[in-house]
Amino acid sequence: QLVLTQSPSASASLGASVKLTCTLSSGHSSYAIAWHQQQPEKGPRYLMKLNSDGSHSKGDGIPDRFSGSSSGAERYLTISSLQSEDEADYYCQTWGTGKWVFGGGTKLTVL
Amino acid sequence: EVQLVQSGAEVKKPGESLKISCKGSGYSFTSYWIGWVRQMPGKGLEWMGIIYPGDSDTRYSPSFQGQVTISADKSISTAYLQWSSLKASDTAMYYCARHSSSSGTGYWGQGTLVTVSS
Repeated sequence: QLVLTQSPSASASLGASVKLTCTLSSGHSSYAIAWHQQQPEKGPRYLMKLNSDGSHSKGDGIPDRFSGSSSGAERYLTISSLQSEDEADYYCQTWGTGKWVFGGGTKLTVL
Repeated sequence: EVQLVQSGAEVKKPGESLKISCKGSGYSFTSYWIGWVRQMPGKGLEWMGIIYPGDSDTRYSPSFQGQVTISADKSISTAYLQWSSLKASDTAMYYCARHSSSSGTGYWGQGTLVTVSS
């Protein structure tokens, strides 16, 4: 069964870096994912598509501070030089034949 | 510029029907999947279903099969999500999003808030 697992919360200081993790279920380590950001009281915003080899393509206007990487079944989103507006929920998403799956989301707090 | 523009907020009573829309522009509407996603108050994103407007191929999440109907009118580049009999538990924000396997779910609509209350 295709499942994505995310930690419910993370925190990091203003100006620091943070690495969020999304884990694909067993047998699905070759799947690409997408990362989405949802700031408080706003709709989701596409950040990037991240492939199993770590290559990624970002959405329009996404700053260089956001990057992605992969290792096995793990997919990572790294945000560097954290700013207050990065405080948001971050969701990973993947897709199979005729279906989508979302992770439970990680709430990022910028201290 | 790719845009997905959703219809406005709705307030309905239990048992009423509803159809909300998502109009695509700035791209070939028939060449990308459109998905619908529910977000209940304070909760995460839940996939409901997807449609390929080119041939109306439609797939539903098992959680939503039989509860909603997804359709599209390619002549006006618009996808729809509809309920025949709303429940209070359908109160949520609903988003549409454009998707392809090669580029992922790259664009989102602004969301439609549906409130069901007696």
